[in-house]
Amino acid sequence: AQSVTQLDSQVPVFEEAPVELRCNYSSSVSVYLFWYVQYPNQGLQLLLKYLSGSTLVKGINGFEAEFNKSQTSFHLRKPSVHISDTAEYFCAVRISGGSYIPTFGRGTSLIVHP
Amino acid sequence: NAGVTQTPKFQVLKTGQSMTLQCAQDMNHEYMSWYRQDPGMGLRLIHYSVGAGITDQGEVPNGYNVSRSTTEDFPLRLLSAAPSQTSVYFCASSYSRRGSTLFPEAFFGQGTRLTVV
Repeated sequence: AQSVTQLDSQVPVFEEAPVELRCNYSSSVSVYLFWYVQYPNQGLQLLLKYLSGSTLVKGINGFEAEFNKSQTSFHLRKPSVHISDTAEYFCAVRISGGSYIPTFGRGTSLIVHP
Repeated sequence: NAGVTQTPKFQVLKTGQSMTLQCAQDMNHEYMSWYRQDPGMGLRLIHYSVGAGITDQGEVPNGYNVSRSTTEDFPLRLLSAAPSQTSVYFCASSYSRRGSTLFPEAFFGQGTRLTVV
């Protein structure tokens, strides 16, 4: 079975600073990887996904993530954050070609200070 | 184009009561799913459907029933509510060819906050 670890439960950062939200996974087979954002009292919104191909994936709102197979990581980055990026971010993994059931991380709360 | 619509937004139930959480999407998506979100737990899949007439269990199906009579609707039924079912419930949908697992949950509803007392 696959698992996902989001190493930081909370990440405080100042506006216009860069940020990295960490995600590590474990799986014995190939996986698909996803990042979602959840604003207060909202559902999740897909930020970006890695299915295959280039390991650097660009998403919405200026976010990008890099798939590193050797380190089993899929860290999310943004070079300059805005107050409006304050939200909960979830990493998720699904086995490629297998079960529909994904595994979500417990989430990282990004707090952007002015 | 409303996306994924969940009703109600809030609900309080007494232990043992039953209710149905409604979910509808207008994007002609084949794949629909139900999740529950608990503090510090991320999201856990309850049930999913890859098309009308087809449903399957997710990670935490006990205490919940689903059916999929149309492409648009995917209701979640709580047969006899328990305090352990207090949670925020999300419905999600995405385009998916049957048999393909390429596409993730791309669209989520705004959630139903359920409290069982």
